[in-house]
Amino acid sequence: SQKIEQNSEALNIQEGKTATLTCNYTNYSPAYLQWYRQDPGRGPVFLLLIRENEKEKRKERLKVTFDTTLKQSLFHITASQPADSATYLCALDKGNTPLVFGKGTRLSVIA
Amino acid sequence: GAVVSQHPSRVICKSGTSVKIECRSLDFQATTMFWYRQFPKKSLMLMATSNEGSKATYEQGVEKDKFLINHASLTLSTLTVTSAHPEDSSFYICSAKLAGIQETQYFGPGTRLLVL
Repeated sequence: SQKIEQNSEALNIQEGKTATLTCNYTNYSPAYLQWYRQDPGRGPVFLLLIRENEKEKRKERLKVTFDTTLKQSLFHITASQPADSATYLCALDKGNTPLVFGKGTRLSVIA
Repeated sequence: GAVVSQHPSRVICKSGTSVKIECRSLDFQATTMFWYRQFPKKSLMLMATSNEGSKATYEQGVEKDKFLINHASLTLSTLTVTSAHPEDSSFYICSAKLAGIQETQYFGPGTRLLVL
């Protein structure tokens, strides 16, 4: 079955720096890879989706890369702010199938 | 953007009672909805896929008689936890996909269930 690993359970970073989160997966390559933000006691909020034939996607201060050879996605938040503190989840989708989620990385941006 | 609501947001019940959780897509039609549960500091675990007008598809290890799912319309799916026990205490989250768009899922705010 598909296994997803997000590099660390928790990541602390200084305000203004770039946060980089990693998502690695095994077995088959997904059609899509998605990143979500989850705040405590809330449901996940969709951030970005990247397809298997795309290398990079950007949205404001967010950037996602997708390397199907390495079976890895990197999620970057530039000029990080304390408001970016949350748990970030990566999720894989083979296409028209339920998403499979990683455990998430809890990001803390320190002022 | 697409909005999904859940009701109730929190519920406390006695062991042995049944609890119904509603998931609604407020401004779009959702042919497919998903139900997840999440334990503290753990990932979302898919429980079942709910398709409008048909029976839900349950993931392995999820008791369909315990977790009843009904998707009676394109905007409403319900999850009923029957004869709840303390081990059913968890955070239940639903999500919905826009009809015709297979990519993005929109999640509800979640329901915190505590069974005493």
